[in-house]
Amino acid sequence: NAGVMQNPRHLVRRRGQEARLRCSPMKGHSHVYWYRQLPEEGLKFMVYLQKENIIDESGMPKERFSAEFPKEGPSILRIQQVVRGDSAAYFCASSPPYSSYGYTFGSGTRLTVV
Amino acid sequence: QQQVKQSPQSLIVQKGGISIINCAYENTAFDYFPWYQQFPGKGPALLIAIRPDVSEKKEGRFTISFNKSAKQFSLHIMDSQPGDSATYFCAASMGASYDKVIFGPGTSLSVIP
Repeated sequence: NAGVMQNPRHLVRRRGQEARLRCSPMKGHSHVYWYRQLPEEGLKFMVYLQKENIIDESGMPKERFSAEFPKEGPSILRIQQVVRGDSAAYFCASSPPYSSYGYTFGSGTRLTVV
Repeated sequence: QQQVKQSPQSLIVQKGGISIINCAYENTAFDYFPWYQQFPGKGPALLIAIRPDVSEKKEGRFTISFNKSAKQFSLHIMDSQPGDSATYFCAASMGASYDKVIFGPGTSLSVIP
C-alpha cells in the first residue's frame, strides 16, 4: 500500500516560470490537502480538494496559485510566474472519506526559485 | 478561533530526560488532536493522536495529556533519545467530518548525549 506520492521531490524554476507539483493520494483516500512550509516555519494550510471539487481554498494566495484534483490522475498545485518568495517545501496530505483521521503526508516537493 | 498555539519554539533535553511540549486551542468544535514528527528533509509523520473523551493516551515512550476544560494538551517524551531529535507539531481538526487539520508552529527538539 503505497503512501502519498509527491513529485518531483525537488524543483528549480527561474523567476517568471510556472511550477507544477503533483500529488497522488493513498489508495482509498479521496481527500487531498496542500500545505506550504517555509524554512524554519510551520505548516500553512493552502487548499483542500476532493475529486473534481475544491472544498476549501482559504489558504491559497489570491493570484498565481491554483489547484485541481481531476477525476483521473493526481492532484496538481500550479504556481504561475513564480517569485523568490515562493521558494518553500510544499506538502500534500490525503485522508479517507468522511474523516481526517489517518491524515497522511507525502515527502514533499522542495521548490527553489532562482 | 482556528489557531493552535504551541510552546516552546525550541527545546534541548539531555538523553534520558523528559521532553514536554505544550499546545492550546480555541475552537471547542475540534475533536481530534494529532501530533506529528518531522525529520529534516522529510514529510511530517503521525506520531500519536487523542480524542477529547480521554485525558491521557500513551504509546511507548510518548504520552499525550489532554485537558478539555483548559483547552490544552501536551506531549511528553519519556527517556528522550538522540533519535527523537526532530520538529514536533501539534494539530487539531474536526476529525469526524470533512475538515482540514490545523497545525501549531512546531517545536524543534534536540536531545543531546
